[in-house]
Amino acid sequence: SYELTQPLSVSVALGQTATITCGADNIESKSVHWYQQKPGQAPVLVIYRDTKRPSGIPERFSGSNSGNTATLTISRAQGGDEADYYCQVWDSSTVFGGGTKLTVL
Amino acid sequence: EVQLVESGGGLVQPGESLRLSCVASGFSVSSNFMSWVRQAPGKGLEWVSVIYTDDSTYHGSTYYADSVKGRFTISRDNAENTLYLQMNSLRTEDTAFYYCARHAVSMVYALDVWGQGTTVTVPS
Repeated sequence: SYELTQPLSVSVALGQTATITCGADNIESKSVHWYQQKPGQAPVLVIYRDTKRPSGIPERFSGSNSGNTATLTISRAQGGDEADYYCQVWDSSTVFGGGTKLTVL
Repeated sequence: EVQLVESGGGLVQPGESLRLSCVASGFSVSSNFMSWVRQAPGKGLEWVSVIYTDDSTYHGSTYYADSVKGRFTISRDNAENTLYLQMNSLRTEDTAFYYCARHAVSMVYALDVWGQGTTVTVPS
């Protein structure tokens, strides 16, 4: 089965740029989606099809996908961005990465 | 408003059964791929099951994670616009928060709408 690898945690200083990676074999051949989940809340889609932002998601959130790594980038990080982030692909069914906890210092 | 509302969770003993419901509003469950996703306490998201659209291309096909195959059954009632998850032979490892979610075909099957979830507890 297809496996997605994320770092357990990422820290970023307030106002700086956070990058969260999602690694898998030839992931660039797939469309990668990203979700933000805050404590006690359902996940929210923040990036779909590698780079697209759903309506209502700030431009500070962006994505890329190349080779064996997809990346979620959060610019000008805010305290409200602290959350768990999950990557996901569609590979006949849904596959999630293990999740990354983002801490804003 | 597009919305999903789950219900049916609870505390059950190992080996028992439970049926989760997910009522959709603002869209039709029959016209979308729909999934159940669960999250064990303190853990990440785990996909559980998907049901495809009931048309000539996808025929309402269903798929399951290996961890639940043979024990869980996904279904829908188009008239009630409701998605179900029948869970039999429950195990302690099935303890989790269960979400239903809609796949957006236009977004390459990203899960664009999620319910608030319902808790299932199977004590040891």
